[in-house]
Amino acid sequence: EAGVAQSPRYKIIEKRQSVAFWCNPISGHATLYWYQQILGQGPKLLIQFQNNGVVDDSQLPKDRFSAERLKGVDSTLKIQPAKLEDSAVYLCASSLHELAGENTDTQYFGPGTRLTVL
Amino acid sequence: AQSVTQLGSHVSVSEGALVLLRCNYSSSVPPYLFWYVQYPNQGLQLLLKYTSAATLVKGINGFEAEFKKSETSFHLTKPSAHMSDAAEYFCAVSETGGFKTIFGAGTRLFVKA
Repeated sequence: EAGVAQSPRYKIIEKRQSVAFWCNPISGHATLYWYQQILGQGPKLLIQFQNNGVVDDSQLPKDRFSAERLKGVDSTLKIQPAKLEDSAVYLCASSLHELAGENTDTQYFGPGTRLTVL
Repeated sequence: AQSVTQLGSHVSVSEGALVLLRCNYSSSVPPYLFWYVQYPNQGLQLLLKYTSAATLVKGINGFEAEFKKSETSFHLTKPSAHMSDAAEYFCAVSETGGFKTIFGAGTRLFVKA
């Protein structure tokens, strides 16, 4: 079974530029998560999708970050414009569970995209 | 609101010694608790999870953790450390259904030969 795929693996941009990350979850997984992991810190949940609907985006800086999962499968996370403090690893994860309120399900993580903003 | 505190950003043990990584949580609802491991340049991998069943949870690679409600703790242990255990370990808490997962800051485990 293929794991969670992310691209690119590395990205270097200048501040105020735009950048987009792509994630393809494990086939059949209904829930998709985007996390930001700053060096020396634990991952911070940015947004959680259930199929193609958003169930939690309370920590997403909506003035510059956006994410979509149009067909309930793969997803893109965009930053526009980027700031120096956005330098981090962006992790995508997916889990199988389909219905809110069921027992939590295991999250499977991709390798991440390392973003450096200069 | 939920939170997770991992005591000790770095832990060093000798090969064959006991591994103990500490995690305390705060939650207003019955929590689901997790331990993940992250090897260099790799994604996070689930070691074990507690979801209100048995309080002693066994995971992969010989790790286990015990949920202690009275102490609001979920410490990770392994009886005998191996060199391959050197990695970063994250404790996490979520609400029922996997919502609002919050990770601790992580503990880097060093294993000395």
